[in-house]
Amino acid sequence: GDSVTQMEGPVTLSEEACLTINCTYTATGYPSLFWYVQYPGEGLQLLLKATKADDKGSNKGFEATYRKETTSFHLEKGSVQVSDSAVYFCALSDRSGAGSYQLTFGKGTKLSVIP
Amino acid sequence: SQTIHQWPATLVQPVGSPLSLECTVEGTSNPNLYWYRQAAGRGLQLLFYSVGIGQISSEVPQNLSASRPQDRQFILSSKKLLLSDSGFYLCAWALPGQASGELFFGEGSRLTVL
Repeated sequence: GDSVTQMEGPVTLSEEACLTINCTYTATGYPSLFWYVQYPGEGLQLLLKATKADDKGSNKGFEATYRKETTSFHLEKGSVQVSDSAVYFCALSDRSGAGSYQLTFGKGTKLSVIP
Repeated sequence: SQTIHQWPATLVQPVGSPLSLECTVEGTSNPNLYWYRQAAGRGLQLLFYSVGIGQISSEVPQNLSASRPQDRQFILSSKKLLLSDSGFYLCAWALPGQASGELFFGEGSRLTVL
């Protein structure tokens, strides 16, 4: 079945440091890929997405490129802020047997940014 | 615009007591609906999804159940809670047939079973 593997956390960075959170996937079809963010005490919000190979998703200074050859979708940001502290989830979407799309999530990576 | 609400936001229940978490979506019709559980250190686990009224698919066998009595209402229930049911429960919706499969999440309900 489909699966998502993302780097274990927690990750602690100083403000303005570079961020990379690795994410790789296995899927039988041609999934869409997502990064979701969960701020403390809240639900998940979509951060960015890519629907086909070589697409780059970007939002709030974060970027991720859909790499089919390496089955990866690494999240990057050049300069993190304290407000970026959150849990980040990589996910893929594939069509289920019932015809609906389902998301398969990685386990999440907790990021803490210190001033 | 579409919105999703779930309640209660927090719940503390004794072992063996019943559970009911409710989720409603506004501003869309015939959404696909989902219940996820987020347990400490275990990521997100899909529990149930529904593509229409009365249509429920279960992903994980357990003592929880789900119902969809109305198009935009999704309820998670248990007759007798276990300690292992503690966690953060998230309801989500998606547009039917949307190719990307993007989900929109509610605020979450934190359940503590003592």
